[in-house]
Amino acid sequence: GENVEQHPSTLSVQEGDSAVIKCTYSDSASNYFPWYKQELGKRPQLIIDIRSNVGEKKDQRIAVTLNKTAKHFSLHITETQPEDSAVYFCAADNYGQNFVFGPGTRLSVLP
Amino acid sequence: DGGITQSPKYLFRKEGQNVTLSCEQNLNHDAMYWYRQDPGQGLRLIYYSQIVNDFQKGDIAEGYSVSREKKESFPLTVTSAQKNPTAFYLCASSTRYNEQFFGPGTRLTVL
Repeated sequence: GENVEQHPSTLSVQEGDSAVIKCTYSDSASNYFPWYKQELGKRPQLIIDIRSNVGEKKDQRIAVTLNKTAKHFSLHITETQPEDSAVYFCAADNYGQNFVFGPGTRLSVLP
Repeated sequence: DGGITQSPKYLFRKEGQNVTLSCEQNLNHDAMYWYRQDPGQGLRLIYYSQIVNDFQKGDIAEGYSVSREKKESFPLTVTSAQKNPTAFYLCASSTRYNEQFFGPGTRLTVL
């Protein structure tokens, strides 16, 4: 089955700097890669996703890149703000049956 | 108002007691999922269902049971066989190969 690794586990950046979180997956059959943001005590919410036929996708300050050959995808947040502080999870679909999540990255944006 | 709901928000269980967590969605999604999240940890899949009257075990199914009698509902029972059930439980739904929508969660505590 699919396995997803995520790095780093914690990340601290100064407000206004960029943050990058990287994930690798094991199964080349995976086609859909979402990113979720979870604030303390709340539910995870989708912030951006990418499909296997696309190399990059942007939404304002957030972007995701996918390298299918190397089997890794990354989340890029530019011009970070304090409200970006949260735990971020990457995921990969598992033959369309369910999703495998990475262990999460705790991002702290320091004022 | 479309969405996915969970109840109760907080639940307390005594030793040896079975408890049932409710999950309902009106998004017309075929797939539903249950996750367990321990403090500071990631999402672990308990059970998932792709269609009514069918469900599969996830990574940590022992001590839990589910049913899927209606498309809209996917209740989770935490049995007395689950020795350490204190956690945050999240239900989610999706269409195949698309984002999961999460419910607000149920926080279960063993007294």
